[in-house]
Amino acid sequence: EVHLVESGGVVVQPGGSLRLSCVASGFTFDDYAMHWVRQAPGKGLEWVSFINWDGGSTYYADSVKGRFTISRDNSKNSLYLQMNSLRTEDTALYYCAKAGRTGTAVHWGQGTLVTVSS
Amino acid sequence: EIVMTQSPATLSVSPGERATLSCWASQSVSSNLAWYQQKPGQAPRLLIYGASTRATGIPARFSGSGSGTEFTLTISSLQSEDFAVYYCQQYNNWPPITFGPGTKVDIK
Repeated sequence: EVHLVESGGVVVQPGGSLRLSCVASGFTFDDYAMHWVRQAPGKGLEWVSFINWDGGSTYYADSVKGRFTISRDNSKNSLYLQMNSLRTEDTALYYCAKAGRTGTAVHWGQGTLVTVSS
Repeated sequence: EIVMTQSPATLSVSPGERATLSCWASQSVSSNLAWYQQKPGQAPRLLIYGASTRATGIPARFSGSGSGTEFTLTISSLQSEDFAVYYCQQYNNWPPITFGPGTKVDIK
């Protein structure tokens, strides 16, 4: 069974930095691309970032480009999101998701909450 | 960026009735359209991809149709566990991947 567990969400001040982690199990991690998707409180889903199986291709939403960096360590079955220059509008539940062959998100973790507030 | 819209925002349906949810794309996404279900306090779950293919383990009462810019998710006979928010998502022209704002299906 696919299992994705996110961690690292905390309360951080505007301008601060944070690194989220996602540990995967139940599938061959380095066979799959991964996504980060976020959801602000009471709002809809917003795609954040994508990384291919070996980290050679990465994509970002315009709202986070230049501030967030996605990466992975296949030896640790882990996905990361380095978040810098955080803004209040980055407050959200951040989900990692296993990608389908195309751009779908087939399996999701339960999310980790990031709150950006002074 | 492709903008996704969904209608209605809220759909009130009685258990056992049929529910029809609509999704539109601002430009053609071919059949590269997915539907997700999200229940309160839970992560989203993939229901449909390729506009009409059910994901693994999804009951047959869920069906998707459409192509280009207009899509429909139909739940043939609503069960209690189907009351949730449903999002459409395009993956034809990305980045960025874009989601619709969601349709909440609640009990009438």
